[in-house]
Amino acid sequence: QQPVQSPQAVILREGEDAVINCSSSKALYSVHWYRQKHGEAPVFLMILLKGGEQKGHDKISASFNEKKQQSSLYLTASQLSYSGTYFCGTDLSGNTGKLIFGQGTTLQVKP
Amino acid sequence: DAGITQSPRHKVTETGTPVTLRCHQTENHRYMYWYRQDPGHGLRLIHYSYGVKDTDKGEVSDGYSVSRSKTEDFLLTLESATSSQTSVYFCAISDSGTQTYNEQFFGPGTRLTVL
Repeated sequence: QQPVQSPQAVILREGEDAVINCSSSKALYSVHWYRQKHGEAPVFLMILLKGGEQKGHDKISASFNEKKQQSSLYLTASQLSYSGTYFCGTDLSGNTGKLIFGQGTTLQVKP
Repeated sequence: DAGITQSPRHKVTETGTPVTLRCHQTENHRYMYWYRQDPGHGLRLIHYSYGVKDTDKGEVSDGYSVSRSKTEDFLLTLESATSSQTSVYFCAISDSGTQTYNEQFFGPGTRLTVL
């Protein structure tokens, strides 16, 4: 039931782009994205809902393919501050906030 | 930042002892969650609460109990701690209200070591 994230890790140079994918075997109500820096708490980035609504970060974009039960997070012109571990969380019901998180994707941005 | 604190922040205990972790919020949010985070597993939901005295199990609830007697406090209890419960525990809050968005705000975490 845990969504699968890919890739597991990625290394970029500043200014490069990256895509992180999240794939579920279950129908999804929404997909959440969080970023966690080492030793810190996860921080909210984006929510994507069925039907196309979304809310989140103004410099990070994401897509949600309901039919394929997949979401992708797009990091463009990456900055050093983008380094961290990215988690997708999938909501199967839409009314409890119960999330099942993927195992995470570690992103390292180098100067 | 959302007003959410966890106590203690670090704890070392021995196998078989009871342990209670506290999550306190000042946002008056309806929903509260307890997660554990272990290398390679991401965040896994232990229990959650959708109101005072209303709680339900998550995906890894065995060995844990919770209580919520006030909106602002959500307690996680390990009745008899085991070494497999060594982990970092995060509390989170959210408030869907009349909205459909329910982003979660995480507390700073509690690092628990069971020897």
